[in-house]
Amino acid sequence: DAGVIQSPRHEVTEMGQEVTLRCKPISGHDYLFWYRQTMMRGLELLIYFNNNVPIDDSGMPEDRFSAKMPNASFSTLKIQPSEPRDSAVYFCASSSQVNQPQHFGDGTRLSIL
Amino acid sequence: SQQGEEDPQALSIQEGENATMNCSYKTSINNLQWYRQNSGRGLVHLILIRSNEREKHSGRLRVTLDTSKKSSSLLITASRAADTASYFCATNHRTGGGNKLTFGTGTQLKVEL
Repeated sequence: DAGVIQSPRHEVTEMGQEVTLRCKPISGHDYLFWYRQTMMRGLELLIYFNNNVPIDDSGMPEDRFSAKMPNASFSTLKIQPSEPRDSAVYFCASSSQVNQPQHFGDGTRLSIL
Repeated sequence: SQQGEEDPQALSIQEGENATMNCSYKTSINNLQWYRQNSGRGLVHLILIRSNEREKHSGRLRVTLDTSKKSSSLLITASRAADTASYFCATNHRTGGGNKLTFGTGTQLKVEL
């Protein structure tokens, strides 16, 4: 079975550019989560969706960040404009129920110069 | 602040020895989960223990939960070099926006031959 698929695996771009991260959850999973991992702050939940609807976006840092889930098999996390402090590894995860184990992708390592 | 704090931050042992990691948290939980993260990869779920359970086993893993002390421990018996990774506890708990999984700071385990 295919796991959670994220693209790109690595992204290096200059400050001010728009960045789009992509995620394909496991088929049949109704919940999709976006996390950010840094050395300073650890793993933080940014937003999660249930049946394509955003449920909790309280972790989204600021208006420069936006996330969408147009259908059950695809989600995007967009940063516009990007800043150096956005450099981190961004993970997508999915699960069948909100309180059940989550399955993680291998992340996107984002570097903003 | 993060829900889970882990101890120790780093642990180095010899192959064949047991490894114990501890996790403390602050609020009521639905369940507590342990994850492993290999370098450059996403998190992998290991085991879930519900708030009404005290102990759970899975292969070489043993997890305990003490809700009165708001703490959990993960024991890996007969460790192997392949167990080298970071280990995270995560608490599933209710928030204003729904359920949430909050990750601890992690323990870096190194198993040496």
